Amino acid sequence: AAGVIQSPRHLIKEKRETATLKCYPIPRHDTVYWYQQGPGQDPQFLISFYEKMQSDKGSIPDRFSAQQFSDYHSELNMSSLELGDSALYFCASSLTTSGVGSTDTQYFGPGTRLTVL
Amino acid sequence: EDKVVQSPLSLVVHEGDTVTLNCSYEVTNFRSLLWYKQEKKAPTFLFMLTSSGIEKKSGRLSSILDKKELFSILNITATQTGDSAIYLCAVPDEGSQGNLIFGKGTKLSVKP
Repeated sequence: AAGVIQSPRHLIKEKRETATLKCYPIPRHDTVYWYQQGPGQDPQFLISFYEKMQSDKGSIPDRFSAQQFSDYHSELNMSSLELGDSALYFCASSLTTSGVGSTDTQYFGPGTRLTVL
Repeated sequence: EDKVVQSPLSLVVHEGDTVTLNCSYEVTNFRSLLWYKQEKKAPTFLFMLTSSGIEKKSGRLSSILDKKELFSILNITATQTGDSAIYLCAVPDEGSQGNLIFGKGTKLSVKP
């Protein structure tokens, strides 16, 4: 079965640079979530999209933005990178019918490991 | 305040042992509780629990929810070295579309 695809898998950037992470949800899943997981930390919710509209916002810095496109893939754009942005960035997808959570099960992609030097 | 609390934070056992991982939660409008296993990469889904007292089982893993006492347990019997991982418990954030709030996880190490 198809899973969530993320690219790139690894990314090394320098401070103040920008980065774009991509996520392709499981086919027919309509909701995408982005999480940040620092070393030794639990995943922290950043932002989510339902049917291409932003649905929730968590602890996402103003330097970050995201969107979901017509084909349901999502991109997380990160600017003015800081050392503290080094983390694993996970995308997860779920199927939410009728705008109400018919299932809360989220399936996670393999993650993008971002290292900021 | 932490809405999802897991215990223990770390656990070391020998192959063949049985372990019980705990997760307590605090949300106003409970919908579900999820368990994930995280090895070196992405969390992989184990169980979603919505009803009290109904055990979910998958091989040597099982889980049950107590909505009255606001906790869940994850049992692993006859542990194997491949069970070594961080086990994460999560609940959807109340009032949200479903973004998950995770506990800190239990790091399980199974020694041969």
